[in-house]
Amino acid sequence: DTGVSQNPRHKITKRGQNVTFRCDPISEHNRLYWYRQTLGQGPEFLTYFQNEAQLEKSRLLSDRFSAERPKGSFSTLEIQRTEQGDSAMYLCASSRSGGSFYNEQFFGPGTRLTVL
Amino acid sequence: AQSVAQPEDQVNVAEGNPLTVKCTYSVSGNPYLFWYVQYPNRGLQFLLKYITGDNLVKGSYGFEAEFNKSQTSFHLKKPSALVSDSALYFCAVSGYTGGGNKLTFGTGTQLKVEL
Repeated sequence: DTGVSQNPRHKITKRGQNVTFRCDPISEHNRLYWYRQTLGQGPEFLTYFQNEAQLEKSRLLSDRFSAERPKGSFSTLEIQRTEQGDSAMYLCASSRSGGSFYNEQFFGPGTRLTVL
Repeated sequence: AQSVAQPEDQVNVAEGNPLTVKCTYSVSGNPYLFWYVQYPNRGLQFLLKYITGDNLVKGSYGFEAEFNKSQTSFHLKKPSALVSDSALYFCAVSGYTGGGNKLTFGTGTQLKVEL
């Protein structure tokens, strides 16, 4: 399977703990996005990478959130001092930058975070 | 700011009948519109997009969408629904973000196709 992969698929943690999620994009895609989806809502944009550069962060991304994409390959999203409001599905997507400027994004299966 | 609205939380249709899932958008500038489908425990799957050109866009699994600039709509359609089309459908609009194109999604429409 050469799609976008995310690990872990599920994470249960206690409030105040730190968690880290990993996303492996499609190999030839140099754009990578993180979104958050809560129940009954559509995904909301969190942050965007072009290669290793983080080019935009949503105001939804508080100081407790940090994302990296070392060497422009996989990406990690870390949440420090988790709160119950962080419980959500965290989605990663990737796209290529060649061709059309508005290339479709391919999504991973997501990491479901539950903060107790 | 850009936004999309999906006015129906749920659409029910009988198998074999045509289906329509509605979406309206609000953007400054040219709209770049997408439809995605989400099955339980699976990621969002791309169906189709409108960037420019023909107002009728054809996509995966027999779906198509009609772009209407005057009505600011981008409704998803399929001539003959299948039970396997039952899923959650999201309309999205794209906005420039420093070289990429972040998506702003609607709240989703649950499609239920019954025998």
